[in-house]
Amino acid sequence: QKEVEQNSGPLSVPEGAIASLNCTYSDRGSQSFFWYRQYSGKSPELIMFIYSNGDKEDGRFTAQLNKASQYVSLLIRDSQPSDSATYLCAVEGESGYALNFGKGTSLLVTP
Amino acid sequence: GAVVSQHPSRVICKSGTSVKIECRSLDFQATTMFWYRQFPKQSLMLMATSNEGSKATYEQGVEKDKFLINHASLTLSTLTVTSAHPEDSSFYICSARKSSYNEQFFGPGTRLTVL
Repeated sequence: QKEVEQNSGPLSVPEGAIASLNCTYSDRGSQSFFWYRQYSGKSPELIMFIYSNGDKEDGRFTAQLNKASQYVSLLIRDSQPSDSATYLCAVEGESGYALNFGKGTSLLVTP
Repeated sequence: GAVVSQHPSRVICKSGTSVKIECRSLDFQATTMFWYRQFPKQSLMLMATSNEGSKATYEQGVEKDKFLINHASLTLSTLTVTSAHPEDSSFYICSARKSSYNEQFFGPGTRLTVL
């Protein structure tokens, strides 16, 4: 059973702070890793993807991947109330293109 | 861009009827599309993988005779919920994989309510 684990939260951070979201996965053969944001009642929206170990930055978002530890994280700098949403970690296995999703971490950015 | 549309966005039907949901990739060709279901406060659950021109691959526990999937072209996949029952009420979301990338782009979802 391929598992993707996330802390359900809620994670509460003040506006302007850094939000750190974490995800672990069980399939050591996983190749690609994705972070999606989902607002209540809406479908997921792709934020970032990462394939290689290390950091990848895009605006206020930084994805970090450590394949040896089977760990991927998302940092959100200068958090805004509009960042309040559920963040889904998704992992693509080596055998195909289907994504395994974690249950998501609820983020609340307080003004 | 990578835009995926779904139709209808919301449907209410009586128990026993069939409901068809369309998923279209608007600005790219999608060799593979995926159908997910999401119950309230739960994560996305993959139902099936749909490849253009071939039979869909269903996840364990998903009844292929109840959830009919057709991927007739590179831009259109349909999910038909046959003989729907109240327990089928859920948020159904499709995604499309862009052929040159690994990212999946999601449609806006269809909220199905079976009375």
